[in-house]
Amino acid sequence: EDQVTQSPEALRLQEGESSSLNCSYTVSGLRGLFWYRQDPGKGPEFLFTLYSAGEEKEKERLKATLTKKESFLHITAPKPEDSATYLCAVQAMNTGFQKLVFGTGTRLLVSP
Amino acid sequence: DAMVIQNPRYQVTQFGKPVTLSCSQTLNHNVMYWYQQKSSQAPKLLFHYYDKDFNNEADTPDNFQSRRPNTSFCFLDIRSPGLGDAAMYLCATSGGGTSGTTGELFFGEGSRLTVL
Repeated sequence: EDQVTQSPEALRLQEGESSSLNCSYTVSGLRGLFWYRQDPGKGPEFLFTLYSAGEEKEKERLKATLTKKESFLHITAPKPEDSATYLCAVQAMNTGFQKLVFGTGTRLLVSP
Repeated sequence: DAMVIQNPRYQVTQFGKPVTLSCSQTLNHNVMYWYQQKSSQAPKLLFHYYDKDFNNEADTPDNFQSRRPNTSFCFLDIRSPGLGDAAMYLCATSGGGTSGTTGELFFGEGSRLTVL
């Protein structure tokens, strides 16, 4: 069964304090790994797709990396507006459509 | 401009009273999904439509049904809501393309259901 485990569950940072979020996965052949941002009371917002080990994607203060077993979301010099829950999801190779299996997320709080 | 619109944003119902949640999209995507997300939990796929083809997840209770009258609209019907059905219900779309391709999901803002 495909599984996604995210750690830590919650993370509190001071503004400017860089850190990383972890997403470990087991999947029967990875078609894609996705990162989403979810603000309280809202739907997830797409951030990145990673397809193969060694791939990296960047967007503003966020950088996502992928290995064969895990992905990291690196946050450099975060700002309070980066506070949100970050969800990781995987799509298996044997799915016939874009079925994503999500992790429970990391709740990030950035204090000024 | 909102691309996936869910209504209502907040729905309060009584135990056992049927509820319908709606989702509309302006992306002309051929795949539409309904996810259930309980507090601090991962979104859980209930079912999806690939065009008019309905696909139910094996563990989705019979209490949950869906309709897709056209490309733009999709409805989630909860026939007899129980206390355990209180959750955020998320509608999402994707471009589909050829079977098995990847693609980002575009989510609506969600409908939060409270069951009294």
